[in-house]
Amino acid sequence: ELHLVESGGGLVQPGGSLRLSCEASGFTFSYYWMHWVRQAPGKGLVWVSRIKTDGSVTIYADSVKGRFTVSRDNARNTLYLQMNTLGAEDTAVYYCVREGHAFDMWGQGTMVTVSS
Amino acid sequence: DIQMTQSPSTLSAFVGDRVTITCRASESIDKWLAWYQQKPGKAPKLLIYRASSLESGVPSSFSGSGSGTEFTLTISSLQPDDFATYYCQQYNSHSWTFGQGTKVEIK
Repeated sequence: ELHLVESGGGLVQPGGSLRLSCEASGFTFSYYWMHWVRQAPGKGLVWVSRIKTDGSVTIYADSVKGRFTVSRDNARNTLYLQMNTLGAEDTAVYYCVREGHAFDMWGQGTMVTVSS
Repeated sequence: DIQMTQSPSTLSAFVGDRVTITCRASESIDKWLAWYQQKPGKAPKLLIYRASSLESGVPSSFSGSGSGTEFTLTISSLQPDDFATYYCQQYNSHSWTFGQGTKVEIK
């Protein structure tokens, strides 16, 4: 069965850092470009970042550029999102997403709350 | 960045109704449009890709159409399980943007 399972969310103070992980199973992870998408409480979906199959190409939304870093370890079937200099505007559920036919597979999400 | 605008924002309908949601792109995206369904507390689910292709396992009551800047999602006969929020998304350019969502409520 296909799965994407995020972890690493939690409560962090403004200016702090957090690293999210997403473990993939049931498919050949290294074949797929992967994304992070976030959703603030009660709000819509916002694309955050994309990474190429081998990790050599990354792209970010302007709102996180220079603060967030996406990476992957294909040997561990795991996607990462390093988030630095977090602010209240980063409070959201973060989804790990597979790019197949559009965004065809989503994790269950992990909640990040930035608050003092 | 390409902006996506959905209408209406909220839609009230009866079980059995035919429902149509519209999505407009700020510039042409050919057919690089997807539709997602999201229920409260759950991750979004892909329904339609490439504007009109039905994702595997999605009921045939869902259909998509359009190209360029105007797109529609149609549910031919609304079922209780279809009450949810629907999002369109463009993936034509390297900035994948979503519409603001359309909440389909029970009338």
